[in-house]
Amino acid sequence: NAGVTQTPKFQVLKTGQSMTLQCAQDMNHEYMSWYRQDPGMGLRLIHYSVGAGITDQGEVPNGYNVSRSTTEDFPLRLLSAAPSQTSVYFCASSPLRTVSEQYFGPGTRLTVT
Amino acid sequence: AQSVSQHNHHVILSEAASLELGCNYSYGGTVNLFWYVQYPGQHLQLLLKYFSGDPLVKGIKGFEAEFIKSKFSFNLRKPSVQWSDTAEYFCAVNARNTDKLIFGTGTRLQVFP
Repeated sequence: NAGVTQTPKFQVLKTGQSMTLQCAQDMNHEYMSWYRQDPGMGLRLIHYSVGAGITDQGEVPNGYNVSRSTTEDFPLRLLSAAPSQTSVYFCASSPLRTVSEQYFGPGTRLTVT
Repeated sequence: AQSVSQHNHHVILSEAASLELGCNYSYGGTVNLFWYVQYPGQHLQLLLKYFSGDPLVKGIKGFEAEFIKSKFSFNLRKPSVQWSDTAEYFCAVNARNTDKLIFGTGTRLQVFP
């Protein structure tokens, strides 16, 4: 199993550009989530999903959209990037339909100039 | 809303010293509790978890944590640290009536030989 994979590893965007961060898992996990990690602020939950077709907001959802059309994929979309979205983004998945032990991907480092 | 506090932001120890990292949460209901570790350049991985039962839980690499319900605490301990324990440590809490995992701000541990 590849586990949780994220692409790209690094990305630089200009303010106002849009992009999609990809996340996929091959463990047939129901629960998936997106976090951003910023120095001194730990990890903050952006959006999560308890199964295909179901998504909900986390602590810091503004500026981000998600969808969950399949169990495997959970892309995160930035519609109009802002410098405040410069961060490291982690995707995670859990085997149950709710929060349990989470398996994290390697992260995407995003810089918005 | 639930929140998690890690009061030790940066801890510096010599090898063989004992470690205790504090974690407190604010939520009056039933919780699931986790400690995750992020080694330099790597993604997060689970150290240990508490769902129910014995409040003293043992994890990987000699770490343990004790859940004290009356103090809303879940402190992480290790009797004798090694240089390889240098990492960032995150406490996380899931209130069982939610599907959200909320992280603390993290504690950076540096162990010197």
